[in-house]
Parts: sequence; C-alpha cells; structure tokens
Amino acid sequence: DVQLVESGGGLVQPGRSLRLSCTASAFTFGDYHINWVRQAPGKGLEWVGFIRNKAYGGTTEYAASVKGRFAISRDDSKATAYLQMNSLETEDTAVYYCARLPVGTKGFDYWGQGTLVTVSS
Amino acid sequence: QTVVTQEPSFSVSPGGTVTLTCGLSSASVSTNYYPSWYQQTPGQAPRTLIYSTNTRSSGVPDRFSGSILGNKAALTITGAQADDESDYYCMLYLGSDSWVFGGGTKLTVL
Repeated sequence: DVQLVESGGGLVQPGRSLRLSCTASAFTFGDYHINWVRQAPGKGLEWVGFIRNKAYGGTTEYAASVKGRFAISRDDSKATAYLQMNSLETEDTAVYYCARLPVGTKGFDYWGQGTLVTVSS
Repeated sequence: QTVVTQEPSFSVSPGGTVTLTCGLSSASVSTNYYPSWYQQTPGQAPRTLIYSTNTRSSGVPDRFSGSILGNKAALTITGAQADDESDYYCMLYLGSDSWVFGGGTKLTVL
C-alpha cells in the first residue's frame, strides 16, 4: 500500500530551526510531486508548499506565510522529501502533513499521518 | 488574499442527503479551480474523497459525489452514515502551483 511517513517533529524554541522528513514507500517516489500541509491545534488545513518532481525541474512554491523561512527539497534516491523550517514562530505550531500530488492533476491523493511541531520557549 | 468559504457546520439524519458547498469571496468557483474534497476525523490525517471537481479517489464509495452548483463547488453525501461524521475540507487550485483550503465544515450525523 502507498505510504507516506512524516518524522522530525518536536518541541523547538522560537527563532530556531527544524527539518521534517516525509518518507514514501510502495510507489515510485520520483514520479510524483509532493506537498506540505499544516494544521494548527483546533484549526483548519493550510497549504504550506510544494516541490515538483525532477522531470518538472524539482522546483518549489510556497505559501506567503512561510516564504523565505521554509524550504522544501527532495532526495529521490531515499524516497524522501524534506521541509526545512527556519526562524520558527509560535504561529508555526501545527501538525505537518505531506501529501502526494500525481503529475497532471491538481488534487492530492495520499497523505501521511502527520508530525507535530511545537514552537515554544 | 483569497478566502474560500464553507459552512462552519451542518447536520444530517442517518440515511439522509446533505450537500456541502465551497465558495470564493470574490469570484465564482468553476472547474478551472479543480476543487477537491477531504474528510478528516479527529486525530486522524485527511483522507481524499474527490479531486478535479467530481473524480472519486480510489476506494471512496459512490455515496460521495462532487459537482459545481451555481457559483460554488459542492460535495454531496447520499445515504449518510454514522461514520460520515467528520470535518470536510475543500481545496481550490489558484494557479501557478498554489492551493488554498476552505475553513472546513463540521458534519454531524444525528
């Protein structure tokens, strides 16, 4: 079965950095685009950013709320996408999900189970 | 800033039909926004129901259907069941490979 597993969450102080991972299995990771979505406690879903697969340049797009602070990358040899979060703010506290986007579509099909990031002093 | 609107809450009787909607504050939703719908129960990850307006994701029962109704995207659940009680989120594609979610609708089945 297709699986996406996030890891790397935890408690971090404001202003510090954290890197999340999204590791895939049971499909050819390099064929797909990957998105990151977050959900603050008790709130709705928020799109964070997106990385294209290598055939589309492996380039990235970000929501305005994280642009310049967050960076998405991928290592297809490890079937893993990363979300590097810098200059973290308390408002970044959320569960972070990765989600698969099939090429040629505009909707996500599979989601990971999420990893919790808590930004607090 | 693009605001996607959804009903904050809705209730439906078991076996009944309910239609949830997804609108835009300053435009009409069309298929060009590739509306998609996600179901989420408390403590769980979202599950994809519908993408590209009306295409059901793998394994999703045909009780769930998507459409455009007037100037909004719509998710219709027919024959509602107790385990349909969840939060439902729509997502719209804004172009240039960016997306936005609605605030979600909390559906109660009672």
